[in-house]
Amino acid sequence: NAGVMQNPRHLVRRRGQEARLRCSPVKGHSHVYWYRQLPEEGLKFMVYLQKENIIDESGMPKERFSAEFPKEGPSILRIQQVVRGDSAAYFCASSPAGPPFPYEQYFGPGTRLTVT
Amino acid sequence: KQEVTQIPAALSVPEGENLVLNCSFTDSAIYNLQWFRQDPGKGLTSLLLIQSSQREQTSGRLNASLDKSSGRSTLYIAASQPGDSATYLCAVTNFGNEKLTFGTGTRLTIIP
Repeated sequence: NAGVMQNPRHLVRRRGQEARLRCSPVKGHSHVYWYRQLPEEGLKFMVYLQKENIIDESGMPKERFSAEFPKEGPSILRIQQVVRGDSAAYFCASSPAGPPFPYEQYFGPGTRLTVT
Repeated sequence: KQEVTQIPAALSVPEGENLVLNCSFTDSAIYNLQWFRQDPGKGLTSLLLIQSSQREQTSGRLNASLDKSSGRSTLYIAASQPGDSATYLCAVTNFGNEKLTFGTGTRLTIIP
């Protein structure tokens, strides 16, 4: 069974370009979470999605960042007009169910974004 | 707002020793607590998950305990090996909130 898959694993973008990060959850999982790990910092929650719905985006920067989890296909984290401060590792996690029983989250290998 | 602290930030011990990593959290209304391992430049590997109703979980040489009332968890590693060298993260989920709140981790080095 495949775990959480993320691609690309490494992404280099120039300032002002767009970055698209993809996450395919564990088969059968309908809940996806995105976390960001800035250099020398801990992981911070960004957004929690179910199929076609954003449930909690309290950790997302207000501008330039968006996320989706369509009915078909992977979840996408999109960063428009990237800046150097966006350089970080972005991790996706999935779980089989959400409230009222949040289950264990399974993490992907991450996408390391470098903005030059 | 939940805050998770891990002390020490770094720890070095000789191979073969038993060791304890600490995690504390400010809001005791947690649903569960997970311990993860992260190798440099890699993703997270889940080690143990403890539900709030449980006091401990064991997997091989690892044992995690939870004292919800005092806001503490410990990860005990028995007979440490060089392959245990990694950063260990604890994270909690609060009731009504599915996101994980992470500590900043303990970087463990096992000296051969």
